[in-house]
Amino acid sequence: GQQVMQIPQYQHVQEGEDFTTYCNSSTTLSNIQWYKQRPGGHPVFLIQLVKSGEVKKQKRLTFQFGEAKKNSSLHITATQTTDVGTYFCAADNAGGTSYGKLTFGQGTILTVHP
Amino acid sequence: NAGVTQTPKFQVLKTGQSMTLQCAQDMNHEYMSWYRQDPGMGLRLIHYSVGAGITDQGEVPNGYNVSRSTTEDFPLRLLSAAPSQTSVYFCASAPRGLWDGYTFGSGTRLTVV
Repeated sequence: GQQVMQIPQYQHVQEGEDFTTYCNSSTTLSNIQWYKQRPGGHPVFLIQLVKSGEVKKQKRLTFQFGEAKKNSSLHITATQTTDVGTYFCAADNAGGTSYGKLTFGQGTILTVHP
Repeated sequence: NAGVTQTPKFQVLKTGQSMTLQCAQDMNHEYMSWYRQDPGMGLRLIHYSVGAGITDQGEVPNGYNVSRSTTEDFPLRLLSAAPSQTSVYFCASAPRGLWDGYTFGSGTRLTVV
């Protein structure tokens, strides 16, 4: 079945440092979504990428979708303590017809030290 | 606008008991899904539905049943609870096309003893 691998599992940074998490698939993805989950909370949708090579920005967050649509990244510039949480990538069922079947990566837990 | 409502928020079951986790959404979303979250395992899909009357299995369906008789409701039934089902369960819904992603409920923390 559809699998997305996410690295690193943990990332500890000092406030003001940059942070990047990567998501990789062995198969071509139809789209990729990113979510953030604050400690003790539920996942919250951040963005969806659909096009090959697509780059989208949300303030200090930059999302990229690879040219081959097999990988994606989330980069945070100058982290703040409010960025703490787990960041997940998620992919719809690429190549199949089961749209709506969203598979999540294992997530990257970000800790920001003030 | 309540979004996705899950009940209960906490539950303790004895091994072998059955129960139903409730999930309701008021956004007229066609897609609904159930996930379980365990430490280090991310979010794993249990069952999902692309519309009323249509359900399908996810990655970890064993021990769980679902039905989707209405657009709004998507209950998850544990048939005979086992300690391995101790987890946090999230229900989520999304419009067809997933353009705004899935909206998640606040979760149910289940402990099976």
